[in-house]
Amino acid sequence: QSVLTQPPSVSAAPGQKVTISCSGSSSNIGNNYVSWYQQLPGTAPKLLIYDNNKRPSGIPDRFSGSKSGTSATLGITGLQTGDEADYYCGTWDSSLSAGQVFGGGTKLTVL
Amino acid sequence: QVQLQESGPGLVRPSQTLSLTCTVSGGSISSGSYYWIWIRQPAGKGLEWIGRVYTTGSTNYNPSLMSRVTISVDTSKNQFSLKLSSVTAADTAVYYCAREGRIGYSYGLYFDYWGQGTLVTVSS
Repeated sequence: QSVLTQPPSVSAAPGQKVTISCSGSSSNIGNNYVSWYQQLPGTAPKLLIYDNNKRPSGIPDRFSGSKSGTSATLGITGLQTGDEADYYCGTWDSSLSAGQVFGGGTKLTVL
Repeated sequence: QVQLQESGPGLVRPSQTLSLTCTVSGGSISSGSYYWIWIRQPAGKGLEWIGRVYTTGSTNYNPSLMSRVTISVDTSKNQFSLKLSSVTAADTAVYYCAREGRIGYSYGLYFDYWGQGTLVTVSS
């Protein structure tokens, strides 16, 4: 059972847009910055979004992030078959069980 | 370009101690303000943060694993290590090492460099 809640899967056609939600609480998303990681099959995760909505160098602007209250959202526009991957949200949890927490991951299928 | 590489036994017997090392290349492990991280991922499941060590040796651990985990750093070898004691089948996973730091002038800390991961199976 992950601390952050993500939908198990989402799908959309090439060229379309998709959003992935990440729900938490005041001890994590509500008071800390959110990141998103992309994990292509058989590879290590890769940082996609940091500080809720910023993209590291080299990440195309098709990827975007937002946060409102205790929820965050990853958006991907102009879907490509190469975007098929697992996506994870992450943040710090400041509760008594402090530490880095992740969502359970969302499998994106580009139909 | 910073690179991280995990190494260690791929098979560990139940009740024994899992030991992994992460070798950092392309930069000194003691330069800059970075944490050095261990994360694991059971097959078909999500990511679990195990803990982190700062270059001073200061550590933070996942509360659910704290009683069994030790993470340490060896700056002379540019390596950091993970020890997980009393392992069971539930500890079978791909183990990743990673670097945690700021991205430019970011507000938070993020995992910007990762190792390729190493599969550790706990079985008799």
